[in-house]
Amino acid sequence: AQSVTQPDIHITVSEGASLELRCNYSYGATPYLFWYVQSPGQGLQLLLKYFSGDTLVQGIKGFEAEFKRSQSSFNLRKPSVHWSDAAEYFCAVGRGNQFYFGTGTSLTVIP
Amino acid sequence: DGGITQSPKYLFRKEGQNVTLSCEQNLNHDAMYWYRQDPGQGLRLIYYSQIVNDFQKGDIAEGYSVSREKKESFPLTVTSAQKNPTAFYLCASSNLISYEQYFGPGTRLTVT
Repeated sequence: AQSVTQPDIHITVSEGASLELRCNYSYGATPYLFWYVQSPGQGLQLLLKYFSGDTLVQGIKGFEAEFKRSQSSFNLRKPSVHWSDAAEYFCAVGRGNQFYFGTGTSLTVIP
Repeated sequence: DGGITQSPKYLFRKEGQNVTLSCEQNLNHDAMYWYRQDPGQGLRLIYYSQIVNDFQKGDIAEGYSVSREKKESFPLTVTSAQKNPTAFYLCASSNLISYEQYFGPGTRLTVT
């Protein structure tokens, strides 16, 4: 069965520190992969996506993600976190009308 | 500006009443989706539509209904049959090539 796992429910980092949010998926074919960010009470904003080609993709707000087929992972990274990055982050995988979201990782940034 | 609008942002209803949530998009997307979000559960698909006058049930369609009479609009009705309707509802749309979904700002429904 298709599924997305974000193993970290909550992460706390200091401002300026690096960040990595984990995402693992189970999907029959090679899926499209996405990371979204959600501020409290708001909709989701697309950070980046992977369809094919270079496995390291760049997104908005200084985020990047790396697709590792052998590990079925699509981890999100940022070299230096800003206080405004505090939010909920969702990994999603899908193809066609089959789209699956992880349960999210809540990020707290300490000044 | 292209985007998705959802109204209202907050909605309060008494138990036993049906309520309709609005979703409009001007992105010329063919596909539209409704999700329900509860704390700690991520997003769960309620209904989706890929073409006017056609829609498919998602994982948690019971107690909900939708219509797609226009490409731009995909309203969701939460019926009195939905046992636990209090939640945050998100509408999204996508094209049929990349399927990357764009989300509206959401409607928080509280039923008492």
